[in-house]
Amino acid sequence: GQQLNQSPQSMFIQEGEDVSMNCTSSSIFNTWLWYKQDPGEGPVLLIALYKAGELTSNGRLTAQFGITRKDSFLNISASIPSDVGIYFCAGNSGGSNYKLTFGKGTLLTVNP
Amino acid sequence: GAVVSQHPSWVICKSGTSVKIECRSLDFQATTMFWYRQFPKQSLMLMATSNEGSKATYEQGVEKDKFLINHASLTLSTLTVTSAHPEDSSFYICSAARLAGGGWQFFGPGTRLTVL
Repeated sequence: GQQLNQSPQSMFIQEGEDVSMNCTSSSIFNTWLWYKQDPGEGPVLLIALYKAGELTSNGRLTAQFGITRKDSFLNISASIPSDVGIYFCAGNSGGSNYKLTFGKGTLLTVNP
Repeated sequence: GAVVSQHPSWVICKSGTSVKIECRSLDFQATTMFWYRQFPKQSLMLMATSNEGSKATYEQGVEKDKFLINHASLTLSTLTVTSAHPEDSSFYICSAARLAGGGWQFFGPGTRLTVL
């Protein structure tokens, strides 16, 4: 089956620093999504990407859909304490089932 | 928009009892709803895919008689954990995909189940 490799597993950074995380896949996805999950909550959609090469921003967040359609990265600029959480990438292969394959997550800790 | 609710947010029950968790899409109609299970510090594990009016599709290794799913309308899906045991304790999260929603899933806030 499809697998997503997400890295790094965890990051410890200082407030104000930039952060980058990425996902690679063994197969092609039609859609890449990035979610953030706070402790005890469900994931919240941050950015959705639909086209190979697409670069999309949402405030301090920027994500790109890789040209090969097998990878994506998420950058967070000027991190703040509320950026703390687990970030998941997810891919959708298309079709009508909307099924997602998730990465294992990146745990981000921001020190004030 | 695209709000998904879950009820209850947490539940504690005795071993052997059944627990029902509701998932509702509050402001949109959901073609498909999904049920996930998440263990501490791990990713989401898909349990089943649920389409309104039809039987759920379970992932390999998930017992359909143990985790009963009903998708009665385009805004409501329920997961019933039957004869719960301590190993069923987990964080259960549902999500809903909107009609023509571009592959997005909107997640509920999750339900923490603790079986004593």
